[in-house]
Amino acid sequence: EDQVTQSPEALRLQEGESSSLNCSYTVSGLRGLFWYRQDPGKGPEFLFTLYSAGEEKEKERLKATLTKKESFLHITAPKPEDSATYLCAVQNNNNDMRFGAGTRLTVKP
Amino acid sequence: KAGVTQTPRYLIKTRGQQVTLSCSPISGHRSVSWYQQTPGQGLQFLFEYFSETQRNKGNFPGRFSGRQFSNSRSEMNVSTLELGDSALYLCASSLGTIETQYFGPGTRLLVL
Repeated sequence: EDQVTQSPEALRLQEGESSSLNCSYTVSGLRGLFWYRQDPGKGPEFLFTLYSAGEEKEKERLKATLTKKESFLHITAPKPEDSATYLCAVQNNNNDMRFGAGTRLTVKP
Repeated sequence: KAGVTQTPRYLIKTRGQQVTLSCSPISGHRSVSWYQQTPGQGLQFLFEYFSETQRNKGNFPGRFSGRQFSNSRSEMNVSTLELGDSALYLCASSLGTIETQYFGPGTRLLVL
């Protein structure tokens, strides 16, 4: 069965303190790995899609990378508005989507 | 471009009742997926519809069902509600199978 494990569960950073979130996965044929951001009471907001090992994508202070076993979401010089829960999901060759439990990020000014 | 819309946004029901939730995908998107999100289980896949056909189904009981109309709008129905069905129900749309999904704001269902 496909599995997605995100770590840490929660992360508290000072504004400007860079860090990384981890998403480890096992999947029967990876079609894509997705990163989403979710604010309380709202639906997840799409950030990135990665398709193959070695791929990297960037958006503002966020950079996502992918290996054969895990993905990292690097946050450079975070701001308080980056506070949210970050979700990782994988889609397998049967088009099944499985989400991780998320990392709750808090950035303090 | 309008995003995914879901109605109603909030709903309170009692055990044993049934409920229907609605989702309008982004214009041009033909795939609609439904998810249940709870604090304990996280985001769990319910089912996916593409061109009015259910293409994929998660591990949920038959009380959970859905359908998709010719205009790609989708409805999800839960019959004989249980307390454990209280959750945020999210709809996501995409162009096709492996395209990125875009989520709606969700319908928060409370079962008393």
